[in-house]
Amino acid sequence: DTGVSQNPRHKITKRGQNVTFRCDPISEHNRLYWYRQTLGQGPEFLTYFQNEAQLEKSRLLSDRFSAERPKGSFSTLEIQRTEQGDSAMYLCASSRGQGDTDTQYFGPGTRLTVL
Amino acid sequence: SQKIEQNSEALNIQEGKTATLTCNYTNYSPAYLQWYRQDPGRGPVFLLLIRENEKEKRKERLKVTFDTTLKQSLFHITASQPADSATYLCALSYGGTSYGKLTFGQGTILTVHP
Repeated sequence: DTGVSQNPRHKITKRGQNVTFRCDPISEHNRLYWYRQTLGQGPEFLTYFQNEAQLEKSRLLSDRFSAERPKGSFSTLEIQRTEQGDSAMYLCASSRGQGDTDTQYFGPGTRLTVL
Repeated sequence: SQKIEQNSEALNIQEGKTATLTCNYTNYSPAYLQWYRQDPGRGPVFLLLIRENEKEKRKERLKVTFDTTLKQSLFHITASQPADSATYLCALSYGGTSYGKLTFGQGTILTVHP
């Protein structure tokens, strides 16, 4: 399967703990995006990368969130000192990054539950 | 800030009928608008894209229209089937330095009854 993969698929943690999610994009896709989705809502943009450079970060993203894409391939999203409000589905997407209408391919998501 | 509204949370129709979903936005028009399908527990899947200078796009049983005067896009599924049951999301992109960054509506849950 050459689609976008995310690990883990589910994560349950206690408030105050740190969590890290991984996203493996489709190979040769230059762009990688992170979104967050809560129940009954559409995905909400968090940040995106062009190769290893983080080009934009949502103003809604607190300092507890950090994302990396060190070699321009896989990416990690870390949440420090988790709060119950962080409970959501975290989606990763990738695209070729060619032109302004290139299609984003989404992974299955990581569902985070903060107790 | 930009606000996107999809006409209803849920839409129920009979098999064989045409489903019509609405996406409205405020403020300035996007460079392009996309429609996605999302099944429970899975990520969204791209369906169609329409640019601001296009009026209509078709793909098999799917049709999208884009009216920048009304600030509205309509998404049609003709000859609907129970397998079309899913959540449908519209997403806007404004191009420029933020091209690729998508702003999503809340989605419409479509149920097609046999």
